Amino acid sequence: GQQLNQSPQSMFIQEGEDVSMNCTSSSIFNTWLWYKQEPGEGPVLLIALYKAGELTSNGRLTAQFGITRKDSFLNISASIPSDVGIYFCAGRNYGGSQGNLIFGKGTKLSVKP
Amino acid sequence: NAGVTQTPKFQVLKTGQSMTLQCAQDMNHNSMYWYRQDPGMGLRLIYYSASEGTTDKGEVPNGYNVSRLNKREFSLRLESAAPSQTSVYFCASSGTSGSLAQFFGPGTRLTVL
Repeated sequence: GQQLNQSPQSMFIQEGEDVSMNCTSSSIFNTWLWYKQEPGEGPVLLIALYKAGELTSNGRLTAQFGITRKDSFLNISASIPSDVGIYFCAGRNYGGSQGNLIFGKGTKLSVKP
Repeated sequence: NAGVTQTPKFQVLKTGQSMTLQCAQDMNHNSMYWYRQDPGMGLRLIYYSASEGTTDKGEVPNGYNVSRLNKREFSLRLESAAPSQTSVYFCASSGTSGSLAQFFGPGTRLTVL
């Protein structure tokens, strides 16, 4: 099946630093979603993007739907210890089954106080 | 609102045993999904139900069956569990075909010995 390339796989950063991660696809997507998963929990939706070029913020998080429609970026500013977790991108490509999402393999974020 | 609930939270089975994982949502969502999550593999779709009365196979349906009991409930059944089915199982729901954001339950951690 189709896959999303999510990078980096993991990040170790100092508290206060900014974080950037991205997802790329070989085909055009019409929706991008970003989730955060903490240990022992289910993924929690952070940001949803539905339009090419769209830039959306949620507190210290900002995500963008790439102009090419084949990529998306998530930035976290001024990281804090509670940002620790695995961040997943997910999307749906044109022609994909209605409602079905494709997930990236995640970026594991560790924050050192 | 409880959102998406799953039972049980943990389960250990012997090879060949059967069990049903339960999922319910109270958000009046039309669509529901079952995923499995394995280390390094991200989330993979097992089955989904676009609306009450319909179910369809996802990426990895072999060894599983599902029932959309009503609009609220979507169960996943393992008829004869195998060690390869050791995983964390997540149920999710989404509102309409136009809104692809999926909301996840807390997961069921299944071990098959």
